[in-house]
Amino acid sequence: DIQMTQSPSTLSASVGDRVTITCRASQTISYWLAWYQQKSGRAPKLLIQKASSLESGVPSRFSGSASGTEFTLTIGGLQPDDFATYYCQQYHDYPITFGQGTRLEIK
Amino acid sequence: EVQLVASGGDLAQPGGSLRLSCAGSGFTFYNYAMMWVRQAPGKGLEWVSSISGRSDSTFYGGSVKGRFTISRDNSKNMLYLQMNSLRAEDTAIYYCAMSDCDSFACKLIAYWGQGTLVTVSS
Repeated sequence: DIQMTQSPSTLSASVGDRVTITCRASQTISYWLAWYQQKSGRAPKLLIQKASSLESGVPSRFSGSASGTEFTLTIGGLQPDDFATYYCQQYHDYPITFGQGTRLEIK
Repeated sequence: EVQLVASGGDLAQPGGSLRLSCAGSGFTFYNYAMMWVRQAPGKGLEWVSSISGRSDSTFYGGSVKGRFTISRDNSKNMLYLQMNSLRAEDTAIYYCAMSDCDSFACKLIAYWGQGTLVTVSS
């Protein structure tokens, strides 16, 4: 199975900050990496697919990048609505696997 | 507008069975692979099972293989998860989700419906 190691598990930041979340795959997954946002009590929402392709309607302050087996989600200029939990997911192969999640909280 | 409405979650005894259902609307159901993803209380996301658009391929996570069965009825726009030999560790919110294409290779979770809570306890 492909292991996805996501860090940090918790991130404290302020409105307006720029933050980065990292996800590392245990083997090559090309660019088959997605990022999801989950707000408390809600279903996850797809933000980014293919490592860096922003979904329609997702604010441009969200961006994704890849370097080998390391992937990053960057949020530039945090807004109050961005405080949530973020998950990465590899969809290169079965079983589909997720990172452990990063809880982004207000400092 | 895409809608995925899951139902069937309940309290079940260890060793018991439950059948989850998911009604899809707002899209051409048979054109999309579908899946179930679960989330234990306060925990992260775990993929459970996937099925291709025409039901010719199914896949399962290791923790449920041999106990759960995914199926679909494209004539009714319905997705199902038959859950047998339930264990306490199966307690979770089960989300119905859709991919962005129809084959077994479609593993991106493009849209998530609301979940249904399964509790396994004596």
